[in-house]
Amino acid sequence: EAAVTQSPRSKVAVTGGKVTLSCHQTNNHDYMYWYRQDTGHGLRLIHYSYVADSTEKGDIPDGYKASRPSQENFSLILELASLSQTAVYFCASSDAGANTEVFFGKGTRLTVV
Amino acid sequence: AQSVDQPDAHVTLSEGASLELRCSYSYSAAPYLFWYVQYPGQSLQFLLKYITGDTVVKGTKGFEAEFRKSNSSFNLKKSPAHWSDSAKYFCALEGRTGGNNKLTFGQGTVLSVIP
Repeated sequence: EAAVTQSPRSKVAVTGGKVTLSCHQTNNHDYMYWYRQDTGHGLRLIHYSYVADSTEKGDIPDGYKASRPSQENFSLILELASLSQTAVYFCASSDAGANTEVFFGKGTRLTVV
Repeated sequence: AQSVDQPDAHVTLSEGASLELRCSYSYSAAPYLFWYVQYPGQSLQFLLKYITGDTVVKGTKGFEAEFRKSNSSFNLKKSPAHWSDSAKYFCALEGRTGGNNKLTFGQGTVLSVIP
């Protein structure tokens, strides 16, 4: 069964600190994504990747970096965490090509204090 | 620019009733449209998608959705509803040009089905 695993599942970070959210997929998918979800909003795309060692900016990349060291792993990095980055973050993966199903992880709840 | 709107933040109905969750979109051409469901404590799961052809598409768990180009809508339906359908539902759009599976999501609708 297709699986996307995120770690940690929840985290409290201090303002100005560095946060790394990790994602691992066993789907053998080329594409991976990071979305954030805020109360009252849908998921918004932060960064995505088509292939290892390459990342692309999504719709709201400011304040975030991404790293794709291998096909299976995709990290989201907050170099200087801010209060406004408190949200739930979802990692996802999919096959290449249009209109294919996207598989999501269970999400990471990040609270910046 | 593309966008998706789910105007109902919450929908509550009784088990056995018919459910319809509303979704409208804005896109310059015909989009790919999806519905995903998120059960409490779980990840988003794919329900169904519209690509082209028949305007009524059937998905998993007994759900179906109707694509209406005339009013740019893609409403999710099921009859009858079951208490186990209680979850948060997301409508999403993928553009047909350079989409690369990048989804634009609506705000989501929380469905509560009362036994």
